[in-house]
Amino acid sequence: GQQLNQSPQSMFIQEGEDVSMNCTSSSIFNTWLWYKQEPGEGPVLLIALYKAGELTSNGRLTAQFGITRKDSFLNISASIPSDVGIYFCAGLGGGGSNYKLTFGKGTLLTVNP
Amino acid sequence: DTEVTQTPKHLVMGMTNKKSLKCEQHMGHRAMYWYKQKAKKPPELMFVYSYEKLSINESVPSRFSPECPNSSLLNLHLHALQPEDSALYLCASSQEQGARVEQYFGPGTRLTVT
Repeated sequence: GQQLNQSPQSMFIQEGEDVSMNCTSSSIFNTWLWYKQEPGEGPVLLIALYKAGELTSNGRLTAQFGITRKDSFLNISASIPSDVGIYFCAGLGGGGSNYKLTFGKGTLLTVNP
Repeated sequence: DTEVTQTPKHLVMGMTNKKSLKCEQHMGHRAMYWYKQKAKKPPELMFVYSYEKLSINESVPSRFSPECPNSSLLNLHLHALQPEDSALYLCASSQEQGARVEQYFGPGTRLTVT
């Protein structure tokens, strides 16, 4: 099946630093979604992207839908301790399924105060 | 409001028990999903309901039985589970089933099968 390559697998950063993570695929998607999951909780939708080249912000978070429709990145600026969690990218549609999210393996973010 | 609620938060059951997980959303969404998530892995799709009808079953064993009593509620009935079924079970919903919609997840039910 279709796979998403998400990197990095984990990050250890100091509070105040900026963070960047990305996902790449061998086939195109119509939609890219970025989720954050904290221990014992469900994934929380951070940003949804629907158009190639689209750049969307949500507070300190910025995400882009790649021009080729095969990649997306998420940036977090000025990280704070509550940014800790696992960040998942997910793709939908295009060369993938119209109903099943194809998830990356996640990026575990640790922020040292 | 983008809230999906799930009960119970935690569930411990024996292999001969019958239990049910419940999910509710009041966003008017017409597609609802069950996912299973193992530790440190992404969620895996189990079932999709669209307009209260089961539209997708991802080859899930029959010991898991979904039900959609109405457009706001989704249940997952559990019977004769195995220890390897222990996981976080997530419910999600979206406006409809499609390729340009956002899926919103609930907080999950942590299931332990003993």
